[in-house]
Formats: sequence, C-alpha cells, structure tokens
Amino acid sequence: GIQVEQSPPDLILQEGANSTLRCNFSDSVNNLQWFHQNPWGQLINLFYIPSGTKQNGRLSATTVATERYSLLYISSSQTTDSGVYFCAVEPETDSWGKLQFGAGTQVVVTP
Amino acid sequence: NAGVTQTPKFRILKIGQSMTLQCTQDMNHNYMYWYRQDPGMGLKLIYYSVGAGITDKGEVPNGYNVSRSTTEDFPLRLELAAPSQTSVYFCASSHGSDRYSNQPQHFGDGTRLSIL
Repeated sequence: GIQVEQSPPDLILQEGANSTLRCNFSDSVNNLQWFHQNPWGQLINLFYIPSGTKQNGRLSATTVATERYSLLYISSSQTTDSGVYFCAVEPETDSWGKLQFGAGTQVVVTP
Repeated sequence: NAGVTQTPKFRILKIGQSMTLQCTQDMNHNYMYWYRQDPGMGLKLIYYSVGAGITDKGEVPNGYNVSRSTTEDFPLRLELAAPSQTSVYFCASSHGSDRYSNQPQHFGDGTRLSIL
C-alpha cells in the first residue's frame, strides 16, 4: 500500500518562530488533507489540498502532486499551535475517501 | 452546528464484554468512517460507509461490526472486547460523489476506550 512519511517527527519552537512540516507519499493520490490534533485529542481539518497552495491565517499548505509531497507552513507560531499535525492521503488506486495517515509531527511551541 | 457527535467520551470495559460506540452527523454527508488511534500513532481505518445500507471493511476490521440504517448514524459494535482494542476511536464524515471524497473529512471528538 501507499507509504506516507512525515518529517520531522518532533519540533520544538519558540513563540513567534516559523516552521515547515513535510509530507511525502509513495504513490499518486486523489486528495491530501492536513489535520491538527490539539492537546485535548480533537482532530481539526486544516486543509483539503490535492494540489496547489492554500492559506488560512498564519497557516498555509502547498501540494506538488507530480513530485508526491506536501508542505505545511506555520508562521509566527503561537502556543495554541502545539499538538500533532497529521498528513492523510486518499490513494489514487483506492476510492470512497478512505484516508491513509502518516505518523504525524509533534509540535511544541514554548512561550 | 453540532457536526459529528460521538458518545460516550470515555468507557472502561472488561474483557469479553460488548458495547456500541455511537456516531451521528448533521451535515447530510453520505460518506462516514470509523478510525482507531493507538498511542503515538496515526489513525487506521476500521470500517466505512458510502451511504445508508452500504458498509465495507477498512484496514483493521477484525473484532468490530458496523451498520448504517440512516444517513445520520453509523454505530460501531465491539462484540467480545479484547485488550488489543484499547484505543481512541474516531468517527468522521465527508461528502463524496463518483467514488471520491471531494470535500474535507470532519471528525468527532473521539471515544477513549480501555479494556481491562
């Protein structure tokens, strides 16, 4: 099956810093989504981004489907950005919206 | 504006007991999913449904059953609880057409289940 690899596995940031999270996938995909799991365990959908670039406030994401990777940018990080960021893909060989998740990037933002 | 609602939030079961995790969504989504998340890991798909009366297995279906009698509800049943089923369970939904989900997946807050 498709492999979804996220890097780095852990990231410690000082408040106000910028960072880039990466998601590599091993095969073609129908769609790609980024999620934030907050310290209370809630999963929030950040982006639905099969290709191109999207921005939402201090967060933005870019997916280059032909090169099989996606990037999530966090600018001017805040303590509320702490948590785990997951990349999830729907393989092109699959369907019905079934997502394969990466192992996540644990982000800690310190004051 | 409830979205995806899961009950209960927490549950402790004894080995061999059975229970049903409830999931309901009010967004009129046709696609629904059950995932489990083990500590420090990503989510794995247990079962999914593309509409009322239609369900199919995901990556880790053993030990679970589902039904989908209405668009809104997608309960997950554990028949004989085992310690390996200790996990956090998430229900999700999205809109799909032509076999593909073309909108974001929305998640419930999860059910934390311990089997002792």
